[in-house]
This record gives sequence, structure tokens and C-alpha cells, in this order.
Amino acid sequence: SAVISQKPSRDICQRGTSLTIQCQVDSQVTMMFWYRQQPGQSLTLIATANQGSEATYESGFVIDKFPISRPNLTFSTLTVSNMSPEDSSIYLCSVVPWEATSYNEQFFGPGTRLTVL
Amino acid sequence: SQELEQSPQSLIVQEGKNLTINCTSSKTLYGLYWYKQKYGEGLIFLMMLQKGGEEKSHEKITAKLDEKKQQSSLHITASQPSHAGIYLCGADGGGTSYGKLTFGQGTILTVHP
Repeated sequence: SAVISQKPSRDICQRGTSLTIQCQVDSQVTMMFWYRQQPGQSLTLIATANQGSEATYESGFVIDKFPISRPNLTFSTLTVSNMSPEDSSIYLCSVVPWEATSYNEQFFGPGTRLTVL
Repeated sequence: SQELEQSPQSLIVQEGKNLTINCTSSKTLYGLYWYKQKYGEGLIFLMMLQKGGEEKSHEKITAKLDEKKQQSSLHITASQPSHAGIYLCGADGGGTSYGKLTFGQGTILTVHP
């Protein structure tokens, strides 16, 4: 398994500002993902955080709005830019451990609860 | 795109009762994950089922994968208040989408003592 921490755990921000969320894993992982969970909704994949290269975004999500970095195999950041109240959500990172074979476990961080006023 | 439908959407049971949650996919299931989420918190990994009609158990929770029906079920035996929460199924995209999970809408479980 993997122990995942996220910072901050929650924040309240003003519209038009940006927030960077950190995801730290206690061991090297092959794959890291960022998900969004809007109020009362299920999880939606935002992007795959690729180590050493640009993130791969899902339909409906763009780099200008959600820039992602992954400088090494244990850390990634997601920035929510130019925020609006519609960005109020829980943001979660997930990881696939390094030793994963086909369809191994995928673990999630505790999430960052973002409220935009 | 793949869609997952969970049923029921919510479930209220008395402590000690058995219950089943279903997850039906619109496409072939390659890897199916079950998670539990407490309100507003992260996801707790329960089980992962691979293609091939797999069945797994952990404590009082059993999950099965029926690849022909493109369906998975999660069964809880002798439910306890600690089982309460939101249960989510997630399907792996497979192939070039390996690791990318599509989730069902969740099943809210309430267990009355």
C-alpha cells in the first residue's frame, strides 16, 4: 500500500485567486492522478500527472485552469486557477504503487476540500 | 465512454442485517474497484476485482465480478454501524486508459444500531 498526504486539507478562497494543492506519497509510485468530487457528486478524473512531462488531461479539463506538476515519483501538485464558486469541490490525488502489475490497487489521498466564495 | 450505475442509491438497514450493492457497467469490465468514503473524506480501498469472474472477501465484505453481465456486487454480512458510509465502484479504463477510473454515483449506506 501507499500512505498519501495532501495539503492543505481544506481552504476557503476568494474568486479570481489560485490555490495549489500538494500530494505527497511515502514511496515511489508509477502513476498519479487527480480527481474532483463536486458537492453531492461522484469522482471525475481531471488528469494523469506524468513524471517529467506534461500532464494528460481528460475531456473538459485544460492545463490553463488546472496546471499540474510532477517533479519526481513521490510528489505532485495541482493548481486551481482563477477560481470561481463552481470550483468548490473536494480534490483528491490517487496513486498506483510502483510494484503494481496489471490492475493493481489504486489508493487515494484524504482529499482537499475547497470552498470558493 | 464507460458509465457505471450503482443500485440502490441509498440503503437503510438495521444492525445485523445483510445487504448487497450492485454496480453495472455499460462496457466490458477490466478492473473493478470498490471504495468506501466517509462524508467529505478520502476513499478507503476495499477490494479490486480483475477480469475473469473473480470473488474476494475481507472480514464481512464480499465482492464478486460477473464479466458476462458486466456487473459487480458488494455484499456485507451482519452489518454494523461502522459499515455506514458511501460505497463507490470504479472501473479501470484498461489498455491505454489503464489506471484511469470511472466511478458510479455511489450508494449511501446507513446502519441503525
